[in-house]
Amino acid sequence: AQSVTQLGSHVSVSEGALVLLRCNYSSSVPPYLFWYVQYPNQGLQLLLKYTSAATLVKGINGFEAEFKKSETSFHLTKPSAHMSDAAEYFCAVSVHSGGYQKVTFGTGTKLQVIP
Amino acid sequence: EAGVAQSPRYKIIEKRQSVAFWCNPISGHATLYWYQQILGQGPKLLIQFQNNGVVDDSQLPKDRFSAERLKGVDSTLKIQPAKLEDSAVYLCASSLDLSGRGGTTVFFGSGTQLSVL
Repeated sequence: AQSVTQLGSHVSVSEGALVLLRCNYSSSVPPYLFWYVQYPNQGLQLLLKYTSAATLVKGINGFEAEFKKSETSFHLTKPSAHMSDAAEYFCAVSVHSGGYQKVTFGTGTKLQVIP
Repeated sequence: EAGVAQSPRYKIIEKRQSVAFWCNPISGHATLYWYQQILGQGPKLLIQFQNNGVVDDSQLPKDRFSAERLKGVDSTLKIQPAKLEDSAVYLCASSLDLSGRGGTTVFFGSGTQLSVL
Protein backbone atom coordinates (compact mmCIF):
# COMPACT_ATOMS: atom_id res chain seq x y z
CA ALA A 1 0.00 0.00 0.00
CA GLN A 2 1.14 3.53 -0.66
CA SER A 3 0.95 6.56 1.61
CA VAL A 4 1.89 10.22 1.78
CA THR A 5 3.06 12.26 4.75
CA GLN A 6 2.97 16.02 4.68
CA LEU A 7 5.01 17.60 7.45
CA GLY A 8 3.38 20.67 8.89
CA SER A 9 -0.34 21.22 8.65
CA HIS A 10 0.21 24.99 8.67
CA VAL A 11 3.09 26.98 7.18
CA SER A 12 3.47 30.75 7.34
CA VAL A 13 5.84 32.75 5.17
CA SER A 14 6.33 36.42 4.46
CA GLU A 15 5.48 37.78 1.06
CA GLY A 16 8.57 37.43 -1.12
CA ALA A 17 10.09 34.66 1.01
CA LEU A 18 10.86 31.13 -0.05
CA VAL A 19 8.01 28.64 0.12
CA LEU A 20 8.89 25.05 1.10
CA LEU A 21 6.17 22.48 1.64
CA ARG A 22 7.32 19.00 2.56
CA CYS A 23 6.03 15.69 1.26
CA ASN A 24 7.35 12.19 1.88
CA TYR A 25 5.86 9.13 0.28
CA SER A 26 5.87 5.39 0.75
CA SER A 27 5.33 2.99 -2.12
CA SER A 28 6.35 -0.57 -2.93
CA VAL A 29 6.34 0.19 -6.66
CA PRO A 30 7.64 3.17 -8.64
CA PRO A 31 5.23 5.98 -7.87
CA TYR A 32 3.82 8.93 -9.70
CA LEU A 33 3.57 12.03 -7.53
CA PHE A 34 1.36 15.09 -7.66
CA TRP A 35 0.89 18.41 -5.95
CA TYR A 36 -2.57 19.93 -5.95
CA VAL A 37 -3.75 23.30 -4.64
CA GLN A 38 -7.16 24.01 -3.15
CA TYR A 39 -8.56 27.51 -2.72
CA PRO A 40 -11.48 28.06 -0.33
CA ASN A 41 -14.74 26.52 -1.49
CA GLN A 42 -13.16 25.07 -4.60
CA GLY A 43 -12.03 21.70 -5.81
CA LEU A 44 -8.41 20.63 -6.17
CA GLN A 45 -6.34 21.96 -9.04
CA LEU A 46 -3.17 20.33 -10.35
CA LEU A 47 0.04 22.29 -9.72
CA LEU A 48 2.51 19.77 -11.10
CA LYS A 49 3.22 16.06 -11.40
CA TYR A 50 6.16 13.69 -11.56
CA THR A 51 5.87 10.85 -14.08
CA SER A 52 9.51 9.68 -14.17
CA ALA A 53 10.55 11.86 -17.13
CA ALA A 54 12.58 14.34 -15.07
CA THR A 55 13.25 14.58 -11.36
CA LEU A 56 12.82 18.37 -11.25
CA VAL A 57 9.30 19.24 -12.21
CA LYS A 58 8.07 22.74 -12.94
CA GLY A 59 4.43 23.60 -12.48
CA ILE A 60 2.08 26.52 -12.68
CA ASN A 61 2.42 29.81 -10.79
CA GLY A 62 6.20 29.45 -10.37
CA PHE A 63 6.08 26.28 -8.25
CA GLU A 64 8.46 23.39 -8.71
CA ALA A 65 9.19 20.10 -6.97
CA GLU A 66 12.08 17.67 -6.98
CA PHE A 67 11.68 13.90 -6.81
CA LYS A 68 14.35 12.36 -4.58
CA LYS A 69 14.10 8.60 -4.56
CA SER A 70 16.81 8.14 -1.92
CA GLU A 71 14.89 10.37 0.47
CA THR A 72 11.40 9.28 -0.71
CA SER A 73 10.55 12.96 -0.91
CA PHE A 74 8.77 15.30 -3.29
CA HIS A 75 8.96 18.72 -1.66
CA LEU A 76 7.25 21.72 -3.24
CA THR A 77 9.07 25.03 -3.51
CA LYS A 78 8.60 28.53 -4.83
CA PRO A 79 11.37 31.13 -4.65
CA SER A 80 9.16 34.09 -3.76
CA ALA A 81 5.73 33.84 -2.13
CA HIS A 82 2.85 35.93 -3.37
CA MET A 83 -0.30 36.78 -1.47
CA SER A 84 -2.30 34.79 -4.02
CA ASP A 85 -0.41 31.63 -3.03
CA ALA A 86 -2.36 31.42 0.24
CA ALA A 87 -4.27 28.16 -0.06
CA GLU A 88 -4.13 24.53 1.00
CA TYR A 89 -1.70 22.24 -0.76
CA PHE A 90 -2.02 18.48 -1.09
CA CYS A 91 0.61 15.97 -2.09
CA ALA A 92 -0.61 12.74 -3.68
CA VAL A 93 0.91 9.44 -4.76
CA SER A 94 -0.41 7.35 -7.61
CA VAL A 95 0.42 3.75 -8.41
CA HIS A 96 -0.73 1.19 -10.90
CA SER A 97 -2.64 -1.43 -8.94
CA GLY A 98 -4.78 -4.25 -10.24
CA GLY A 99 -5.23 -2.63 -13.64
CA TYR A 100 -6.23 0.79 -12.46
CA GLN A 101 -4.72 3.96 -11.04
CA LYS A 102 -4.87 4.26 -7.27
CA VAL A 103 -4.38 7.79 -5.92
CA THR A 104 -3.79 8.55 -2.24
CA PHE A 105 -3.69 12.06 -0.82
CA GLY A 106 -1.84 13.53 2.12
CA THR A 107 -3.54 15.49 4.88
CA GLY A 108 -2.65 18.85 3.38
CA THR A 109 -0.62 21.92 4.33
CA LYS A 110 -2.31 25.26 4.69
CA LEU A 111 -0.04 28.06 3.48
CA GLN A 112 -0.43 31.50 4.98
CA VAL A 113 1.35 34.43 3.31
CA ILE A 114 2.01 37.41 5.55
CA PRO A 115 2.23 40.83 3.90
CA GLU B 1 -13.12 22.00 -22.36
CA ALA B 2 -15.86 21.67 -19.74
CA GLY B 3 -14.69 20.55 -16.31
CA VAL B 4 -16.18 18.12 -13.84
CA ALA B 5 -19.69 19.26 -12.96
CA GLN B 6 -21.24 18.62 -9.55
CA SER B 7 -24.53 19.50 -7.96
CA PRO B 8 -25.76 20.73 -5.61
CA ARG B 9 -23.01 23.00 -4.25
CA TYR B 10 -24.44 23.03 -0.75
CA LYS B 11 -26.85 20.78 1.11
CA ILE B 12 -28.13 20.94 4.67
CA ILE B 13 -30.09 17.99 6.05
CA GLU B 14 -31.00 16.52 9.40
CA LYS B 15 -29.54 13.26 10.63
CA ARG B 16 -31.33 10.15 9.42
CA GLN B 17 -32.46 11.92 6.25
CA SER B 18 -31.23 10.86 2.83
CA VAL B 19 -29.27 12.90 0.30
CA ALA B 20 -27.95 12.44 -3.21
CA PHE B 21 -25.13 14.09 -5.11
CA TRP B 22 -24.69 14.17 -8.85
CA CYS B 23 -21.54 14.30 -10.93
CA ASN B 24 -20.86 14.62 -14.65
CA PRO B 25 -17.20 13.93 -15.47
CA ILE B 26 -15.15 15.40 -18.27
CA SER B 27 -16.25 13.95 -21.57
CA GLY B 28 -14.33 10.82 -22.48
CA HIS B 29 -12.85 10.22 -19.04
CA ALA B 30 -13.02 6.53 -18.21
CA THR B 31 -12.32 6.80 -14.51
CA LEU B 32 -14.60 8.53 -12.01
CA TYR B 33 -13.82 9.02 -8.34
CA TRP B 34 -15.85 10.10 -5.32
CA TYR B 35 -13.83 11.52 -2.44
CA GLN B 36 -14.92 12.62 1.02
CA GLN B 37 -13.04 15.58 2.47
CA ILE B 38 -13.65 16.29 6.14
CA LEU B 39 -12.64 19.75 7.34
CA GLY B 40 -8.90 19.89 7.93
CA GLN B 41 -8.18 16.55 6.25
CA GLY B 42 -7.12 15.36 2.85
CA PRO B 43 -9.54 13.77 0.39
CA LYS B 44 -10.40 10.16 1.19
CA LEU B 45 -11.43 7.90 -1.66
CA LEU B 46 -14.93 6.48 -1.23
CA ILE B 47 -15.41 4.75 -4.55
CA GLN B 48 -13.71 4.55 -7.93
CA PHE B 49 -15.31 3.54 -11.21
CA GLN B 50 -13.58 2.52 -14.41
CA ASN B 51 -16.18 3.01 -17.12
CA ASN B 52 -19.32 1.75 -15.36
CA GLY B 53 -17.64 -0.87 -13.18
CA VAL B 54 -16.48 -0.44 -9.61
CA VAL B 55 -12.73 -0.97 -9.14
CA ASP B 56 -12.36 0.20 -5.54
CA ASP B 57 -15.02 0.71 -2.89
CA SER B 58 -13.01 -0.52 0.06
CA GLN B 59 -13.59 2.65 2.10
CA LEU B 60 -17.24 3.14 1.24
CA PRO B 61 -19.54 2.65 4.27
CA LYS B 62 -21.82 0.33 2.38
CA ASP B 63 -24.49 0.18 5.06
CA ARG B 64 -25.40 3.79 4.29
CA PHE B 65 -23.55 4.94 1.16
CA SER B 66 -24.26 3.80 -2.38
CA ALA B 67 -23.08 4.98 -5.77
CA GLU B 68 -23.76 4.20 -9.37
CA ARG B 69 -22.37 5.31 -12.69
CA LEU B 70 -24.97 5.33 -15.39
CA LYS B 71 -23.80 4.06 -18.79
CA GLY B 72 -20.21 4.86 -17.86
CA VAL B 73 -20.83 8.61 -17.84
CA ASP B 74 -22.41 10.52 -14.98
CA SER B 75 -22.69 9.27 -11.43
CA THR B 76 -24.79 9.61 -8.30
CA LEU B 77 -23.64 9.17 -4.71
CA LYS B 78 -26.32 8.59 -2.09
CA ILE B 79 -26.30 8.60 1.69
CA GLN B 80 -29.18 6.98 3.54
CA PRO B 81 -29.55 7.53 6.44
CA ALA B 82 -27.12 10.38 7.09
CA LYS B 83 -25.15 10.69 10.31
CA LEU B 84 -23.58 13.75 11.90
CA GLU B 85 -20.10 12.50 10.99
CA ASP B 86 -21.02 12.57 7.29
CA SER B 87 -20.68 16.35 7.31
CA ALA B 88 -17.96 16.97 4.76
CA VAL B 89 -17.25 18.10 1.23
CA TYR B 90 -17.92 15.42 -1.35
CA LEU B 91 -15.63 15.76 -4.33
CA CYS B 92 -16.13 14.11 -7.65
CA ALA B 93 -13.16 13.70 -9.95
CA SER B 94 -12.34 12.07 -13.25
CA SER B 95 -9.30 11.01 -15.24
CA LEU B 96 -8.50 9.70 -18.70
CA ASP B 97 -6.98 6.51 -17.37
CA LEU B 98 -7.67 3.98 -20.07
CA SER B 99 -4.63 1.82 -19.41
CA GLY B 100 -4.50 2.06 -15.63
CA ARG B 101 -0.80 2.87 -15.81
CA GLY B 102 -1.03 5.61 -13.25
CA GLY B 103 0.32 9.11 -13.48
CA THR B 104 -2.81 10.38 -15.16
CA THR B 105 -4.01 13.76 -13.96
CA VAL B 106 -7.15 13.64 -11.86
CA PHE B 107 -9.49 16.58 -12.46
CA PHE B 108 -11.79 17.69 -9.66
CA GLY B 109 -15.18 19.30 -9.49
CA SER B 110 -15.96 22.10 -7.03
CA GLY B 111 -17.55 19.70 -4.57
CA THR B 112 -20.76 19.50 -2.59
CA GLN B 113 -20.60 20.78 0.96
CA LEU B 114 -22.87 18.66 3.14
CA SER B 115 -23.94 19.71 6.63
CA VAL B 116 -25.80 17.15 8.72
CA LEU B 117 -27.60 18.68 11.71
